[in-house]
Amino acid sequence: EAGVAQSPRYKIIEKRQSVAFWCNPISGHATLYWYQQILGQGPKLLIQFQNNGVVDDSQLPKDRFSAERLKGVDSTLKIQPAKLEDSAVYLCASSLVSARGLSYEQYFGPGTRLTVT
Amino acid sequence: AQSVTQLGSHVSVSEGALVLLRCNYSSSVPPYLFWYVQYPNQGLQLLLKYTTGATLVKGINGFEAEFKKSETSFHLTKPSAHMSDAAEYFCAVSGSNTGKLIFGQGTTLQVKP
Repeated sequence: EAGVAQSPRYKIIEKRQSVAFWCNPISGHATLYWYQQILGQGPKLLIQFQNNGVVDDSQLPKDRFSAERLKGVDSTLKIQPAKLEDSAVYLCASSLVSARGLSYEQYFGPGTRLTVT
Repeated sequence: AQSVTQLGSHVSVSEGALVLLRCNYSSSVPPYLFWYVQYPNQGLQLLLKYTTGATLVKGINGFEAEFKKSETSFHLTKPSAHMSDAAEYFCAVSGSNTGKLIFGQGTTLQVKP
């Protein structure tokens, strides 16, 4: 079974530039998560989708971050414009959803390491 | 609200020694608890999880953890450390039906020969 795919693996940009990350979840996983992991910290949820609807985006800096999940499969996360403090690893994860709406174990992709200079 | 505290950002053990990584949680609802491992430049891999039922949970690679409600703890142990266990370990809690995970800050495990 193929895992969660992410690209690019690494990205270096200057502040005020824009950047986009792509995630392809495990086939059949209805729930998709984007996490931000700053060096030395645990991952922090940015946004959660169930199919193509947003479940939780309470910690997404909406003035500069946006995300979409068209057709309930692939997802993109965009930052525009980037700030120095956005330097982090961006992790995508996916999970199944039970009939009761409860999410199962999350499977993580390898992440995209973003450096903003 | 939920939170996780991992006691000790760095733990160093000798190969063959007991591994003990500490995790305490706070949750206003019955928690689901997880331990993840992260190797350099890789994503997170689930070691084990507690949802309901037996409080002693066994995971992959010889790790286990015990859910102690009275102590709000979920410490991770392994009887004998291997060099390959050197990695970053994260404890996480989920209590909502959305599956949202709240992670601790992580503990780096160093294994000395």
